[in-house]
Amino acid sequence: DTGVSQNPRHKITKRGQNVTFRCDPISEHNRLYWYRQTLGQGPEFLTYFQNEAQLEKSRLLSDRFSAERPKGSFSTLEIQRTEQGDSAMYLCASSLASYNEQFFGPGTRLTVL
Amino acid sequence: GESVGLHLPTLSVQEGDNSIINCAYSNSASDYFIWYKQESGKGPQFIIDIRSNMDKRQGQRVTVLLNKTVKHLSLQIAATQPGDSAVYFCAESSQDTGRRALTFGSGTRLQVQP
Repeated sequence: DTGVSQNPRHKITKRGQNVTFRCDPISEHNRLYWYRQTLGQGPEFLTYFQNEAQLEKSRLLSDRFSAERPKGSFSTLEIQRTEQGDSAMYLCASSLASYNEQFFGPGTRLTVL
Repeated sequence: GESVGLHLPTLSVQEGDNSIINCAYSNSASDYFIWYKQESGKGPQFIIDIRSNMDKRQGQRVTVLLNKTVKHLSLQIAATQPGDSAVYFCAESSQDTGRRALTFGSGTRLQVQP
């Protein structure tokens, strides 16, 4: 499968715990985006990387959230001290260039109890 | 902030009919538009895109129309099939920000009746 992959697909955690998600983009895609999607809504931009550089963070990304893309390939999104309001689908997308379509992964569904 | 929205939250059509899903956007600087299909529990799936220098683009059974004057986008699906049942999102991006992140609307659910 040469598409965008995300792991885990589902994560259930207790409030206050830390969680980490992984995204593997399409090979050679230099841009990688993280989005969050709540039920019935469209995805909302969180942050993006150009190769290994994190170029922008949305105001939605509180200081409890951190993302990395250390080698310009896969990326991780960590949420510290999770809150119930963090429950959502976290989507990763990648693109070959800034002007091309973004291809999404299947998402990681987070449930914070 | 700038946003992309949809006129109809749910659209129900008969199998074989044509479907039209509409979308309005507010950012006059938007220059790239894209339609995604999302099935339950899955990530958005690319359908078709269009750049602002075009007003129509066709794919397999799908056509996207762009009216920049009224900031309106539509997706036409010909001969709608049960497998087309899903939530459809329009999204836009603007070169203003450089980041090319997509701004999505809230989605339209398409229900295809057999």
